[in-house]
Amino acid sequence: SQTIHQWPATLVQPVGSPLSLECTVEGTSNPNLYWYRQAAGRGLQLLFYSVGIGQISSEVPQNLSASRPQDRQFILSSKKLLLSDSGFYLCAWRWGGATNEKLFFGSGTQLSVL
Amino acid sequence: KQEVTQIPAALSVPEGENLVLNCSFTDSAIYNLQWFRQDPGKGLTSLLLIQSSQREQTSGRLNASLDKSSGRSTLYIAASQPGDSATYLCAVSAGDGSSNTGKLIFGQGTTLQVKP
Repeated sequence: SQTIHQWPATLVQPVGSPLSLECTVEGTSNPNLYWYRQAAGRGLQLLFYSVGIGQISSEVPQNLSASRPQDRQFILSSKKLLLSDSGFYLCAWRWGGATNEKLFFGSGTQLSVL
Repeated sequence: KQEVTQIPAALSVPEGENLVLNCSFTDSAIYNLQWFRQDPGKGLTSLLLIQSSQREQTSGRLNASLDKSSGRSTLYIAASQPGDSATYLCAVSAGDGSSNTGKLIFGQGTTLQVKP
C-alpha cells in the first residue's frame, strides 16, 4: 500500500535560520507531489508542485524553495526564515488518473518562527 | 481566479442530527471537487471525490453533491456522532489549460462540533 511520510512533526526556529522539511512517498512511482501551507486563520495554499525529478512549479512568490532529488522525495527549504513563514506545512501526493484521482496528505509539520 | 467559499465557518449540533455543509466556487471549469476532513494538528483525510461529470457521491453516512453550473457543492452528514467533530474542507481541482495537474484550491473550512 502507498504511504506518505513527513517530518518533523513540529519545529521551532529563530528568524533568519535555515529550513529543511522532508517528505517521502512509498509504494508508488512517479507521483505528482505537492507542498501546501496552512497559516493561522487562513485556508490551505498550494506552494509548490512537482510532476517528476527536478521538475518544480512554484505557485506563489515566497521565501521558500522546493526540490525533488529523487522520484519519491520532496523537500521544502529556506535559507533564511521569516516570521511570516510560520504555519502548518502539508505534503501530498496524487493517486489515480484522469477519471479517478485522490490526493493523500502527510501528517504535517507545524512550524513556528520566533 | 478560482475562489472557494465554505459556509458556515463553524457549526455546533447535538448528536444524532442530520446536517449540511456548503461549498461554493466561482469558476465552473473544474476537473473534480473533493471533501476532506482535518482533525486538529493533523493532516487531511479524503472523504469523497466528485468528478465534474458526476452529480453526487456517497460513502456511509456521508453524501456529497455537485452542481457545477451553479458552482455549488454540499456535504450531507446523516445521524451525526461526536466522532464527526473536525474541520471539513472543500477543494476544487484546477488544471493548467488542457491537463489536470491535481492542484487543489481549498475553502477555509467548516469546523463542526457534535455534542453528545
